[in-house]
Amino acid sequence: AQSVTQLDSHVSVSEGTPVLLRCNYSSSYSPSLFWYVQHPNKGLQLLLKYTSAATLVKGINGFEAEFKKSETSFHLTKPSAHMSDAAEYFCVGAPRSGGYQKVTFGIGTKLQVIP
Amino acid sequence: ETGVTQSPTHLIKTRGQQVTLRCSSQSGHNTVSWYQQALGQGPQFIFQYYREEENGRGNFPPRFSGLQFPNYSSELNVNALELDDSALYLCASSLDRGRLNEQYFGPGTRLTVT
Repeated sequence: AQSVTQLDSHVSVSEGTPVLLRCNYSSSYSPSLFWYVQHPNKGLQLLLKYTSAATLVKGINGFEAEFKKSETSFHLTKPSAHMSDAAEYFCVGAPRSGGYQKVTFGIGTKLQVIP
Repeated sequence: ETGVTQSPTHLIKTRGQQVTLRCSSQSGHNTVSWYQQALGQGPQFIFQYYREEENGRGNFPPRFSGLQFPNYSSELNVNALELDDSALYLCASSLDRGRLNEQYFGPGTRLTVT
């Protein structure tokens, strides 16, 4: 069984300050983990992915995430928020092999960036 | 732009009716997946089509059905609509099945059932 928990439904930061979006997972197998972003009226866009290589993963637009097995976490960070980062972010877990039936999305975190 | 388009953008239907949602895949992609995203929730996998055949299905009843055409465009059909079917429906195309990280998502169709 697998579950993905996004710990905050809303996060608000000031422009230029760090961003932290938290995601915990539980899985009976080694998962692949992803972060997607969804801007209003747009489709989901892949930010970054962890499969099994480096535990610190760098993505697009300055985002990165660190896979911490001991804490079962995969938190998304960015050193300095930009207004264009305001969107909804989804943490996603999936088995390394197998079908889409086991893909699990978190409920999402809405990021607000204050000027 | 991702190149995946969906139509219509918004749709309002009455309980018991049937609805067809359409998706045009990114050029060259032979796999399409459909997701349901209820308000305040993450997307839930409905099913996937690969080269015109269903390649996997999530926990959705048979009244959710799909088609993929030779040009790899796709339809999602929902019969006997229920109020709980109100959601954003997303399609995603990819070059190959089973590769979540290579999916390109469309903007979605928002379905409201009254």
